[in-house]
Amino acid sequence: EPEVTQTPSHQVTQMGQEVILRCVPISNHLYFYWYRQILGQKVEFLVSFYNNEISEKSEIFDDQFSVERPDGSNFTLKIRSTKLEDSAMYFCASSEAGHDTEAFFGQGTRLTVV
Amino acid sequence: GENVEQHPSTLSVQEGDSAVIKCTYSDSASNYFPWYKQELGKGPQLIIDIRSNVGEKKDQRIAVTLNKTAKHFSLHITETQPEDSAVYFCAASIPSGGSYIPTFGRGTSLIVHP
Repeated sequence: EPEVTQTPSHQVTQMGQEVILRCVPISNHLYFYWYRQILGQKVEFLVSFYNNEISEKSEIFDDQFSVERPDGSNFTLKIRSTKLEDSAMYFCASSEAGHDTEAFFGQGTRLTVV
Repeated sequence: GENVEQHPSTLSVQEGDSAVIKCTYSDSASNYFPWYKQELGKGPQLIIDIRSNVGEKKDQRIAVTLNKTAKHFSLHITETQPEDSAVYFCAASIPSGGSYIPTFGRGTSLIVHP
């Protein structure tokens, strides 16, 4: 069964450093998403990406965040100058079509900023 | 923006009992309502969804109901089993172009005691 894969599973970084979280969406999917989940809290939408551009982003997705699909298979989330409060589980998801179709989630990357 | 409230935060039942989780939403533009199950250390997995033109949907032991007028929807699990133990999230999704933006509830930790 196809699945969304994320690497690394756990990333520890120093405050102020840049991190790149990587995702490989399901191959025939066209819509890609990043979410985050701070420990014990709800899942929060960050950004959606379609046709090589951002289609929607939340208030959380400020200038320190960026997304990229560098090679047609990977989908990355870059966080510049990480802050302590960026510590969370980051989930990538993809869907075949956009509106009201199932989004498949990866297993997540736990980011710890120290 | 959309606001989703989910209750209860914790639900403890005996194996074989039914479990009901309730969510309300605020934006009448929401028209897609997925439910996710998140097991420890894993990403959310879609278990059932409902669209705003349907009042009820059932899949084996799982059913979801939607009341558009009252803006609430519920997940019903019958004949619960220990493997149903997980965190369940509801979401309400607003269409945005070809994509959709889900807003998640805070989650319900379901514990099924053998």
